Amino acid sequence: QVQLVESGGGVVQPGRSLRLSCAASGFTFSHYCMNWVRQGPGKGLEWVAVIWSDGRNQYYADSVKGRFTISRDNSKNTLFLQMNSLRAEDTAVYYCVRVPAAGAPPYYYGMDVWGQGTTVTVSS
Amino acid sequence: DIQLTQSPSFLSASVGDRVTITCRASQGISSYLAWYQQKPGKAPKLLIHAISTLQSGVPSRFSGSGSGTEFTLTISSLEPEDFATYYCQQLNKFPLTFGGGTKVESK
Repeated sequence: QVQLVESGGGVVQPGRSLRLSCAASGFTFSHYCMNWVRQGPGKGLEWVAVIWSDGRNQYYADSVKGRFTISRDNSKNTLFLQMNSLRAEDTAVYYCVRVPAAGAPPYYYGMDVWGQGTTVTVSS
Repeated sequence: DIQLTQSPSFLSASVGDRVTITCRASQGISSYLAWYQQKPGKAPKLLIHAISTLQSGVPSRFSGSGSGTEFTLTISSLEPEDFATYYCQQLNKFPLTFGGGTKVESK
């Protein structure tokens, strides 16, 4: 079945780096835009980043621009999020999310497949 | 950035009640509005896309409506499994933004 499985979360000190991965299965990964969405403890949802289906374009929330990098390996059906210069406010559950589109918005079909999430805690 | 304001933030209701949640956008977003349901400890689940189109498998007691900058999610008769938090999202332009959420609690 269609599935997204995140990994790589953990506890990290402020200023350090972490790399999240998301393994996709059950669909043709290279046909879809992929996103990271996060949710801080007790907070709402925050979109973090998107990458085009072919990996050629990426867009970021202002809160992570210049610190986070989204990438993908379509040969391995895997999405990544490289997080550098981590801050306490980056503490959240990070979800890998599919959008049924190949490139730029608008996105008619919403975000239709979500992973179970991986928890990142930034603390000294 | 497009701001989405959901109201109410919290809602107490009983099984069988009709529930309505509103989402207002700071500018027009055409039909690129989706609704999600999230239960504690779980990932959000897409309920509705394009204002009013139900995802496959979503019960027909859920419906969406609206246009331009004002949208609503309605649950016609609340079931026990509907107690959850609901989010709207605009997918018209970057940054993609979510409303602050509406927690539907048991009265």
